[in-house]
Amino acid sequence: NAGVTQTPKFQVLKTGQSMTLQCAQDMNHNSMYWYRQDPGMGLRLIYYSASEGTTDKGEVPNGYNVSRLNKREFSLRLESAAPSQTSVYFCASWGKPSGRGETQYFGPGTRLLVL
Amino acid sequence: GENVEQHPSTLSVQEGDSAVIKCTYSDSASNYFPWYKQELGKRPQLIIDIRSNVGEKKDQRIAVTLNKTAKHFSLHITETQPEDSAVYFCAAYLNTDKLIFGTGTRLQVFP
Repeated sequence: NAGVTQTPKFQVLKTGQSMTLQCAQDMNHNSMYWYRQDPGMGLRLIYYSASEGTTDKGEVPNGYNVSRLNKREFSLRLESAAPSQTSVYFCASWGKPSGRGETQYFGPGTRLLVL
Repeated sequence: GENVEQHPSTLSVQEGDSAVIKCTYSDSASNYFPWYKQELGKRPQLIIDIRSNVGEKKDQRIAVTLNKTAKHFSLHITETQPEDSAVYFCAAYLNTDKLIFGTGTRLQVFP
């Protein structure tokens, strides 16, 4: 049981390049989320997916697109990267682990630098 | 819109002292309040949570209190240790299937 996994761990892009951040969870959770975290800042929600086949905008969706490929996978795409998108990106899923109530679990993060 | 305010932004304590972090939420319908600890370069990890049907919950040196009327909740860490040094985030769950996070508190525990 790997929990929430993300790839890649690190990425450097040039302005205008595109890339897709991958996220997968093996806990059979319905809801998945993408956050960005800038230095000294909290977690800001970019997009989320309450169930397979649905996606909704969060607090800071501009410049991003998402795809809920299936129940396990939720990807985040930057079509034309900008320096303002330099950040750490966390994927998360929401569910109920054994012995506890429902809560949100985070992946290890992707550090993105846009030059 | 919905928001969660968190104070203080930084907190320095001597080892063995207590630390208290406070959060205020805006949506009275919020019913779940987790606290996350994030060490440098790591992912946020859940340390304790509370639901709106209880006023207090304790887990060893960590406790959380909730005042629904005032829409306040707080994290209390007793007998602090250097390994408690990290950034702590509070959050409030909205019925729209989202967690709204506070801006974080950087806790430093000095030996």
